[in-house]
Amino acid sequence: EADIYQTPRYLVIGTGKKITLECSQTMGHDKMYWYQQDPGMELHLIHYSYGVNSTEKGDLSSESTVSRIRTEHFPLTLESARPSHTSQYLCASSESGNQPQHFGDGTRLSIL
Amino acid sequence: RKEVEQDPGPFNVPEGATVAFNCTYSNSASQSFFWYRQDCRKEPKLLMSVYSSGNEDGRFTAQLNRASQYISLLIRDSKLSDSATYLCVVKGNDYKLSFGAGTTVTVRA
Repeated sequence: EADIYQTPRYLVIGTGKKITLECSQTMGHDKMYWYQQDPGMELHLIHYSYGVNSTEKGDLSSESTVSRIRTEHFPLTLESARPSHTSQYLCASSESGNQPQHFGDGTRLSIL
Repeated sequence: RKEVEQDPGPFNVPEGATVAFNCTYSNSASQSFFWYRQDCRKEPKLLMSVYSSGNEDGRFTAQLNRASQYISLLIRDSKLSDSATYLCVVKGNDYKLSFGAGTTVTVRA
């Protein structure tokens, strides 16, 4: 079982708030990823990191930002949440680019 | 055109039946292929990698056809616990994965 953790599991919050979604893994994986998934839809990559101090935007444009100061930690931040940000956010990591990715439990975000 | 396309289903099958479905991918340079399983409102979990020669893991068999750019998953002797959405996942020549929208399988008693 992969050791990758996301908090919070669920978050319901008002418009305009600053939000940070946490993701941590204890496997020492260099590669980490953030996906966004709406119900019944495919996952879309919004951010990824190849290692410390490396972050890139994914295929789906997102108003969120990420940081990678430590190998094990890859938080995602929304400076001012809006209802359009309501979705499930999934964090994943992999040992290398060719290895499968392991996912955290996800954060279900609902912006009122 | 989407990078990965799957028949959304649902495939409704009785226990013990065999069910099979495909996924097609558009990038001929794709290098790695996986099947993930996602239960309702849960995270995707790796079911199996797909190798060029085809591979089997218990009741699950995956095959890759590079010429026609599709991969398949076959489930034998279906169990109620096999009910889930199966995601076809393809990796190109970078570290990023492309996910299909999933094929829903419902196994009934």
